Amino acid sequence: QLVLTQSPSASASLGASVKLTCTLSSGHSSYAIAWHQQQPEKGPRYLMKLNSDGSHSKGDGIPDRFSGSSSGAERYLTISSLQSEDEADYYCQTWGTGIRVVFGGGTKLTVL
Amino acid sequence: EVQLLESGGGLVQPGGSLRLSCAASGFTFSSYAMSWVRQAPGKGLEWVSAISGSGGSTYYADSVKGRFTISRDNSKNTLYLQMNSLRAEDTAVYYCAKDSSSSSWPPDAFDIWGQGTMVTVSS
Repeated sequence: QLVLTQSPSASASLGASVKLTCTLSSGHSSYAIAWHQQQPEKGPRYLMKLNSDGSHSKGDGIPDRFSGSSSGAERYLTISSLQSEDEADYYCQTWGTGIRVVFGGGTKLTVL
Repeated sequence: EVQLLESGGGLVQPGGSLRLSCAASGFTFSSYAMSWVRQAPGKGLEWVSAISGSGGSTYYADSVKGRFTISRDNSKNTLYLQMNSLRAEDTAVYYCAKDSSSSSWPPDAFDIWGQGTMVTVSS
């Protein structure tokens, strides 16, 4: 069974950078994922699709401050030059035959 | 502009039924698989169901299998979720979401989300 693990919370200062992690469970390190942002009281917003080799394709209008990378079973979302509007919940998502669609538990990012 | 607009949410008693709709615009609706995703108050995202672009294939989460039915009307660019035998634990905001890749199945990354519709199951 495929499980995506995310830290419940993260924090970083305004203008700094932060790296969020999504870990694929054992045996699933080749899976691509997607990152989504959910600002308070809003619906989710697609950020990017991230492959196991680190290549990624971002959604329309997503700033260059958002980037993705991969290492083994870990998928990362890096946000640089943090702004107050980046304070949000971040979810990873994966998919596939048999596993259907799976979300991670989400990481709540606080901008200090 | 690509848009998804959900409707049909509301308050329903346990054991009752509700049908959600998602009106799509700005893209070739029939070319994309679509999904429903829900979020219980204060909780994370939970995938509920998916349907292929043609409507010929469907998937369900175990938590709703046998109670919910996903369907689509490509002539109306509309996605539906028929929810029967509703339980308190079905209380959530329900979002529809569009696949990022055309003509793909099983579901892929979601690149467009609606604003959500609230379903409350309570007596």
